Amino acid sequence: EVQLLESGGGLVQPGGSLRLSCAASGFTFSGYAMYWVRQAPGRGLQWVSFIAGSSGRTYYADSVKGRFTTSRDNSKNTLYLQMNSLRAEDTALYYCAKGTGRSDAGFDYWGQGILVTVSS
Amino acid sequence: QSVLTQPPSASATPGQRVTLSCSGSSSNIGSNTVNWYQQLPGTAPKLLIYSDTQRPSGVPDRFSGSKSGTSASLAISGLQSGDEADYYCAAWDDSLNGVVFGGGTKLTVL
Repeated sequence: EVQLLESGGGLVQPGGSLRLSCAASGFTFSGYAMYWVRQAPGRGLQWVSFIAGSSGRTYYADSVKGRFTTSRDNSKNTLYLQMNSLRAEDTALYYCAKGTGRSDAGFDYWGQGILVTVSS
Repeated sequence: QSVLTQPPSASATPGQRVTLSCSGSSSNIGSNTVNWYQQLPGTAPKLLIYSDTQRPSGVPDRFSGSKSGTSASLAISGLQSGDEADYYCAAWDDSLNGVVFGGGTKLTVL
């Protein structure tokens, strides 16, 4: 059974940093692209980042480019999101999601989400 | 402002068929496949349709997807109260080098 479990969220002041983790199990982690997707309170879904399975190639949404870094440790089956220079508008529920393994950029499994609140 | 355009709301009665639309451009829907997600209240999204028309195992055949040009649609037939949820379309965007979502359609079953 595929499981994705996010951790590391919480309350942080504007300008601060936070690192999210996503522990994956139930599939060959290194074989799949992984994504971070966020959802601000009462709002829709917003893609944050992509990281390829083995090459580590990454892409980011313009709104987080230069501030957020996504990485993975395939030996630990864990995905990370390092968030720096946090802003109030980064407040959201952050989901990690597993790529389908096809070229459709779809996400077939999602974590339960972890809340990040940026406020003074 | 979302890159993909979805109507914010839709409603229908149990048993009816409803169609949700998603409009994009040549850099996203026009050149890449569309995925649809269902988000029930208070839960994480779930993949409903992938590659324009395909259903993951476990998704009832009441749900179907289609695409034409730069627009896509999700049809739900035999509507049930449990289908009340937010529905999002998404696709890769070649210009933005990322995934773009629609703003979501909140479906109400009357």
